[in-house]
This record gives sequence, C-alpha cells and structure tokens, in this order.
Amino acid sequence: KAGVTQTPRYLIKTRGQQVTLSCSPISGHRSVSWYQQTPGQGLQFLFEYFSETQRNKGNFPGRFSGRQFSNSRSEMNVSTLELGDSALYLCASSLNQGEKLFFGSGTQLSVL
Amino acid sequence: GEDVEQSLFLSVREGDSSVINCTYTDSSSTYLYWYKQEPGAGLQLLTYIFSNMDMKQDQRLTVLLNKKDKHLSLRIADTQTGDSAIYFCAENRYGGATNKLIFGTGTLLAVQP
Repeated sequence: KAGVTQTPRYLIKTRGQQVTLSCSPISGHRSVSWYQQTPGQGLQFLFEYFSETQRNKGNFPGRFSGRQFSNSRSEMNVSTLELGDSALYLCASSLNQGEKLFFGSGTQLSVL
Repeated sequence: GEDVEQSLFLSVREGDSSVINCTYTDSSSTYLYWYKQEPGAGLQLLTYIFSNMDMKQDQRLTVLLNKKDKHLSLRIADTQTGDSAIYFCAENRYGGATNKLIFGTGTLLAVQP
C-alpha cells in the first residue's frame, strides 16, 4: 500500500506570492491533517479535514487555508507569502479522526 | 503549560540501550506517540500507547507510561547506527475526535559506532 504522497517535494517562492501544496492520503484513509515544521517553533498543527469538512484549525492566520476533495485528497494554500512561512509542511492521514497518524515526506517551502 | 518537553540530545554507543524521555501535560490525553525523523524526511510512526496502558513492547522498542507523573519514555534495545535520528513524542489531548497532536521539541539521538 502506498504511503502518504506530497507534491511538490521542494518549492521556492518570493514574498507576496501564493502557493498550493498537495497531499494524497493512504488509500482508504478519510482524515487528513497538515502540520508546519520550523527550527524555531517545531511541529505545529495547521488544520485537519474529514469528509471534505475542516474539523479543527490551529493558530495560524487566515492566509493559510486548505480543502479536501471527495477522494480524500487535500490541498493547502498559503497566500501573500512571508519570509517566516519558510518551513517543511507535513501532511498526515488516518483511517478516521483520532486514530494513528501516518505522515508524508513533506514539502520544503523556501520563501525568498 | 502547553509544552511537551524532551531532552535535546542523547549520545550512545552502538549495541547499548537508549532511553528517550518525554514529559507531557494533559492527564486526559488518550494516545501518546513516538515518531522518528531522519534528515530530509517526514515523520515515521514508531509506536504508540493508549493512556490506560503502563507498558508496550514492540521488538526492540519498549514504551513506558507513568500517568501520575505524566512521563513517557522510549527504550531502544541494541541501538544501531541506523537509529540515529530525531525522536518526537506527541500527545493527543483532545480525545478521539481530532488528529490535533501536540509534539515535543524532539530528541536528537546520535549513535557512535
């Protein structure tokens, strides 16, 4: 069974641009969560989706948004990029909410 | 407070046992996890324990949970150079209705040959 797949693997953007990251969960998994990892703040929860609905949101500004499609695939979007948005963005999936989370390899975003 | 705490660094010799410690904050946390992260990679789920258990063993890994002290530990027996990585503990303190995990700061395990 394929794991959680995230694309692209690396991304370089400039301040003010926007970016869309993609995540395909493990087949059969219905819940998708997103996390941001930085050296300074560590791993922080962004949001989670289940049945195409956002179920929980972390403490991030409205520039960070996401969605989930009917096939459970998810995208997250960051608008008006800032230097501080440079981070590894990790997607994780689970069979249902509250169950074991399996992570992808992440998208490394660099904002110049 | 909010923080899940771990020591930053642990160095062991190959073949020795490693013990990585974690102090979490919420006694109502239902699941507690250990993840491994190698350079340039995502998080690999190593093992987990339910809050109603004291111990869980899985091959070379042993997880101990002390709910009274809110202390979680991961013991790796016969540590190998391939075990060198950052180890994160995480708690699900919001129950079974969410995948919002609170992660520790991570412990860098260095295994000397």
